[in-house]
Amino acid sequence: AQSVTQLDSHVSVSEGTPVLLRCNYSSSYSPSLFWYVQHPNKGLQLLLKYTSAATLVKGINGFEAEFKKSETSFHLTKPSAHMSDAAEYFCVVGPPNQGGKLIFGQGTELSVKP
Amino acid sequence: EAGVAQSPRYKIIEKRQSVAFWCNPISGHATLYWYQQILGQGPKLLIQFQNNGVVDDSQLPKDRFSAERLKGVDSTLKIQPAKLEDSAVYLCASSSDGAYEQYFGPGTRLTVT
Repeated sequence: AQSVTQLDSHVSVSEGTPVLLRCNYSSSYSPSLFWYVQHPNKGLQLLLKYTSAATLVKGINGFEAEFKKSETSFHLTKPSAHMSDAAEYFCVVGPPNQGGKLIFGQGTELSVKP
Repeated sequence: EAGVAQSPRYKIIEKRQSVAFWCNPISGHATLYWYQQILGQGPKLLIQFQNNGVVDDSQLPKDRFSAERLKGVDSTLKIQPAKLEDSAVYLCASSSDGAYEQYFGPGTRLTVT
């Protein structure tokens, strides 16, 4: 069975400081991994995806994530937080050969202080 | 390009009543998904359609939930009768022929009292 665990339910940073949102995955196969963001009263939006190409993946709005097989991790980072980054972030795994099915983590709420 | 449309955006009903949600996916997207997102949790897949056929409904509580996608375009999710624990946001998403990149609608927030 495939699953993801987001290690922090809430992260608070100051504007201009780095962001680190942690995610570990469990998978019997080479996984496809994603980060989605959900702003209040808005739909979920894909930030970035890893599908067995480059291990360092760049996404929108300056976010990136690194796939580390030895650590079964897929942490999301950004060098400098902006107020508009405040949102809920979901780490997601896509099991192979299941028609694009996605399994979501519990989410990490990111707060950005001025 | 128009996004995924959902209606209504909000709904409040009493337990044991019925409710229906509507979703119109992005034009040309063959795969449609319904998710349930309970407060404080990640979305959970309820049902997945490929065109007008069901691909996966293993997590759909079939005694009270039903969904259809008759013409392979828009879809309706129904709950009858509703329970208190059905209070959640119901998200619809679509993708191009089962691709991992799914596009989500704004959701319908259901409150059961």
